[in-house]
Amino acid sequence: DQQVKQNSPSLSVQEGRISILNCDYTNSMFDYFLWYKKYPAEGPTFLISISSIKDKNEDGRFTVFLNKSAKHLSLHIVPSQPGDSAVYFCAASATKNNDMRFGAGTRLTVKP
Amino acid sequence: KAGVTQTPRYLIKTRGQQVTLSCSPISGHRSVSWYQQTPGQGLQFLFEYFSETQRNKGNFPGRFSGRQFSNSRSEMNVSTLELGDSALYLCASKISHSNYNEQFFGPGTRLTVL
Repeated sequence: DQQVKQNSPSLSVQEGRISILNCDYTNSMFDYFLWYKKYPAEGPTFLISISSIKDKNEDGRFTVFLNKSAKHLSLHIVPSQPGDSAVYFCAASATKNNDMRFGAGTRLTVKP
Repeated sequence: KAGVTQTPRYLIKTRGQQVTLSCSPISGHRSVSWYQQTPGQGLQFLFEYFSETQRNKGNFPGRFSGRQFSNSRSEMNVSTLELGDSALYLCASKISHSNYNEQFFGPGTRLTVL
């Protein structure tokens, strides 16, 4: 059961522009949401997170937005850089001790 | 601080064989989770171990099993391998009191079943 969905398998943007990666979830019990970035031949690395008590969290060029009523979150990268080219996974869990459910990933390509 | 390490990095097996993968978490991390990554399916949760006990389990058949040792190192075993088990197997560790449940991943073991 895909409780976390990333409907866009790929996204291509120009360097300097904004990248917006989207994620939808079905389980209303999810309280913690995270984004991971994965380069080839490496494990995913934690990027940014948000809990359900917030609707926005910002860290440098990365901002995550959460819309609980729509069960939707998004990751904004601005400005996008070629080094941001990677696969981005959205993940969610119901509590801090619950298992994490991941989306299928979105491959971001930032063109110079 | 050393990251999560996984051994071996690459493995080739034939159908019907069994395989054991190893994961050493970051020092001080007591939780270890295992994931299977296949193209188009993202990361599928296998199971989580905490203090040598399986705490959570995903929807995988009983051929997939794991264990955790007193030093928090974990092993995953797959018996009677099938072609569909070919995947990247990722191990992740986390500290028990993280704020957002963030996990730290190892580089993975690429398993190919022929």
